[in-house]
Amino acid sequence: AQSVTQLGSHVSVSEGALVLLRCNYSSSVPPYLFWYVQYPNQGLQLLLKYTTGATLVKGINGFEAEFKKSETSFHLTKPSAHMSDAAEYFCAVSDNTDKLIFGTGTRLQVFP
Amino acid sequence: NAGVTQTPKFQVLKTGQSMTLQCAQDMNHEYMSWYRQDPGMGLRLIHYSVGAGITDQGEVPNGYNVSRSTTEDFPLRLLSAAPSQTSVYFCASSPGTSGYEQYFGPGTRLTVT
Repeated sequence: AQSVTQLGSHVSVSEGALVLLRCNYSSSVPPYLFWYVQYPNQGLQLLLKYTTGATLVKGINGFEAEFKKSETSFHLTKPSAHMSDAAEYFCAVSDNTDKLIFGTGTRLQVFP
Repeated sequence: NAGVTQTPKFQVLKTGQSMTLQCAQDMNHEYMSWYRQDPGMGLRLIHYSVGAGITDQGEVPNGYNVSRSTTEDFPLRLLSAAPSQTSVYFCASSPGTSGYEQYFGPGTRLTVT
C-alpha cells in the first residue's frame, strides 16, 4: 500500500534562508509524486509533480523537488524563502490505483 | 471557467441531522473526489469517482454517501451527523487518475454540535 511521511509538522526559517521540507514515500510500483500548497482558508494548489523522466522537478514560486528512488524521497526545496511562502505544504503519492494519498502536512513559517 | 465550486462555505449541524455538501466542476473532468482535512492528519480520502455512475470508497467512508449522476456534480451526503465529522471538506477533480493534477475547491467548514 502506498503511504507518505512528512518529517516535521512545523518548519521555521528566516527570510532569505533555504527552505527544505522532507517527504518520504512508500509504494510498490513507480510512484507519481506531488507537492501541494495551502494558504490560510484556501484550497490546495499544485506546486509541482513528478511522473516520469527528469528526477529534478521545478515548480511554481521558485520551488523544486528531487525524486530519489534509492532513498524513497521527494524533498521540496527553495533556495531563498520569502514571507509569502508561509503556508502549509502537503506531499502526496499515487501509484496505479485511482487514489491520491497525502502526508500530514508541514506548516512553514518565515520570519523577517 | 469557475473550476471546482463547493457549497456551502460554512455549516453548523446538530448531532443526528443530515445534509448534503455540494460539489461541481466545469472542466469536464472524469475523476472527482472528496477529502476531509483535520489538524495533524492531512487530507484523507472519503469517496471518489472515476466517471458518471461509478463511485468507490476511500480511506474514511463510514457515515458518508456519494453518487455521480453527471460528470459535473459529485455531492457528499452525511446521513446522521456526528461530532467526529466536524472537519473541513474539500472536493477535487482531475482529467484522469494516476499522475494527473487534482484541482481543489475552496472547502466547506462543517461543525457538528
